[in-house]
Amino acid sequence: QKEVEQNSGPLSVPEGAIASLNCTYSDRGSQSFFWYRQYSGKSPELIMSIYSNGDQEDGRFTAQLNKASQYVSLLIRDSQPSDSATYLCAVRSVSNMLTFGGGTRLMVKP
Amino acid sequence: SAVISQKPSRDICQRGTSLTIQCQVDSQVTMMFWYRQQPGQSLTLIATANQGSEATYESGFVIDKFPISRPNLTFSTLTVSNMSPEDSSIYLCSFRLRGRGNEQFFGPGTRLTVL
Repeated sequence: QKEVEQNSGPLSVPEGAIASLNCTYSDRGSQSFFWYRQYSGKSPELIMSIYSNGDQEDGRFTAQLNKASQYVSLLIRDSQPSDSATYLCAVRSVSNMLTFGGGTRLMVKP
Repeated sequence: SAVISQKPSRDICQRGTSLTIQCQVDSQVTMMFWYRQQPGQSLTLIATANQGSEATYESGFVIDKFPISRPNLTFSTLTVSNMSPEDSSIYLCSFRLRGRGNEQFFGPGTRLTVL
């Protein structure tokens, strides 16, 4: 069983819609959770961090964490074609290392 | 925000040779790491670069193949030794910054092709 799992996609949404990206993790002791955006040919860019249950909002992005269900999600409101990228979920384990999911490819169609 | 320099940005190398990748960060770094991202794959941690001492390698990675140095807080090198086509990948320097907790950032990466 993979430690951090994401649906590889592609997830296709129309411009202006809400994109919902999901991630599950196996280590119940995990304390920190991150979302990265990676454009093709570029390095990952940190876009959201979340540490406690509930929602964390930053502009059009909302990260949601449910530790009981071991589930993290990223919502992108008013999706734009420029949001088309691969989104990586990362979880910090008790070893203090980040474990990455396989990524979800998002396509926002004009 | 930090300014990160990673060199070279890309290279094409012959089988059996070695390549050293450099990473320089202009801010106060607490931890530095090296990752590999193979085509179409996610990120795999190679090792944690420790200042002034031997790096801590993850399972499947060894010092003879991937020697790492970190002579000071903000600079590290990764060498890919005795390369084979299977080493073709993107190699990424990553780091955490003082005052930014466990948030982790990435350099621009080095795209390596081994023929």
